[in-house]
Amino acid sequence: NAGVTQTPKFRILKIGQSMTLQCTQDMNHNYMYWYRQDPGMGLKLIYYSVGAGITDKGEVPNGYNVSRSTTEDFPLRLELAAPSQTSVYFCASKASGFTDTQYFGPGTRLTVL
Amino acid sequence: ELKVEQNPLFLSMQEGKNYTIYCNYSTTSDRLYWYRQDPGKSLESLFVLLSNGAVKQEGRLMASLDTKARLSTLHITAAVHDLSATYFCAATSGSQGNLIFGKGTKLSVKP
Repeated sequence: NAGVTQTPKFRILKIGQSMTLQCTQDMNHNYMYWYRQDPGMGLKLIYYSVGAGITDKGEVPNGYNVSRSTTEDFPLRLELAAPSQTSVYFCASKASGFTDTQYFGPGTRLTVL
Repeated sequence: ELKVEQNPLFLSMQEGKNYTIYCNYSTTSDRLYWYRQDPGKSLESLFVLLSNGAVKQEGRLMASLDTKARLSTLHITAAVHDLSATYFCAATSGSQGNLIFGKGTKLSVKP
């Protein structure tokens, strides 16, 4: 049981490039989330999903897109990378319960130059 | 709009001392979470507080919730170096219960 896995661990992008951050969970959780963490700040929610085929915006969705075709996978797409997207990105998942805890992946450190 | 504020943001403690981290939130929230993050690592769940007056303890950490005051506290008893980390509180917002995080309290425990 690997929990929540993310790839890649590190990535450097040039301005204007695109990339997809991968997130997979093997706990059969319905809810999945993408957060970004900037230095000295808490986590900000980018997008979330309550089940396959259902996604919604969080606090800071601009510049990102998501899809959820399966229960296990929740990729995050950056279309035109900008320096403001330099951050650490965390994926998380939880079961459906009202009091369930979110479990976090190891993170992807992204630098846009 | 729900806002979550933690204080202090930085805390340097000596081993063996006690201290409290405060987490205030601005509007009604159903639940309050505490997470720990070690440098360069992911977030680890510590506590979930579900109702007014809830208290949970694990080792040297004790968390409590006062929903009327919109305040949660994380109390550290007889700090040890292994507790050095950043601690985040998060409150829930909206019908889906999404988390709104505070900025975190960076705790450093020195011998």
